[in-house]
Amino acid sequence: GAVVSQHPSRVICKSGTSVKIECRSLDFQATTMFWYRQFPKKSLMLMATSNEGSKATYEQGVEKDKFLINHASLTLSTLTVTSAHPEDSSFYICSAGTGGAFSNQPQHFGDGTRLSIL
Amino acid sequence: GENVEQHPSTLSVQEGDSAVIKCTYSDSASNYFPWYKQELGKRPQLIIDIRSNVGEKKDQRIAVTLNKTAKHFSLHITETQPEDSAVYFCAATRGTGNQFYFGTGTSLTVIP
Repeated sequence: GAVVSQHPSRVICKSGTSVKIECRSLDFQATTMFWYRQFPKKSLMLMATSNEGSKATYEQGVEKDKFLINHASLTLSTLTVTSAHPEDSSFYICSAGTGGAFSNQPQHFGDGTRLSIL
Repeated sequence: GENVEQHPSTLSVQEGDSAVIKCTYSDSASNYFPWYKQELGKRPQLIIDIRSNVGEKKDQRIAVTLNKTAKHFSLHITETQPEDSAVYFCAATRGTGNQFYFGTGTSLTVIP
C-alpha cells in the first residue's frame, strides 16, 4: 500500500517550454502533498506544500509564478515549470502521507522526474 | 523552524562492519523521525522510523535510537553488505501533514 506515482520520469525539452509533472497517490487520499527539488549529491529541498482545494504554500525563495502547483483532487497534485530554462534542470520529486496532520506516518515518495532543459 | 543536522556526510566501512549515522534536531515539538535510503536516481525509501514515545527500535540489521532530551537520533546498521551502499537521509517532523525537515544526507559505501 501507500504508493505514489509520478510522471513523467524524464523530460528533455527546449528552453522556454512549460513542463507539467503529475503526482498521484494510487491507493490512498492525500490532502497534502509536497514537492521537492534535489540537486546532484544534495539533500531534498522542499519547494512547496500542495494543499487540496486551496493554494499551495511556497518556501522562501521559490517563485510561485515559475512553479505552478495545482492540487485539484485528493489523489492528484501537479507541478508546472513555466518557461523552463537550463537552470531549472534538476530532479523533482513529490511525496504524500497517508495520515492527517499529526498522525506520525511516513511520507511516501514518487519516483521523481529528471528535467533537462537544453 | 526545525533544523536537522546529519553526520557524517560520507562513510566508508568494510563489509560486515557496523555503520552509524547521527542526526540532531532543534524543535522540541518534533515527534516523528524517519530514515530514508536513496539509491542513485531513485526515490527515497523508508527503512525505519521512530516516534517520540519510544527510545529505540530495531528491524533486523537496522536500528534507530532516539534521545529526546539531547534532541538527537541515530541510525545503526550492523553486518553491512555492499547493497547497503546508498545515501541515507534522516528527517524530523511534527506530523505527516507537516513539513518533513531532512538532514543533508550520508553517502555510505560498503567495501566488499
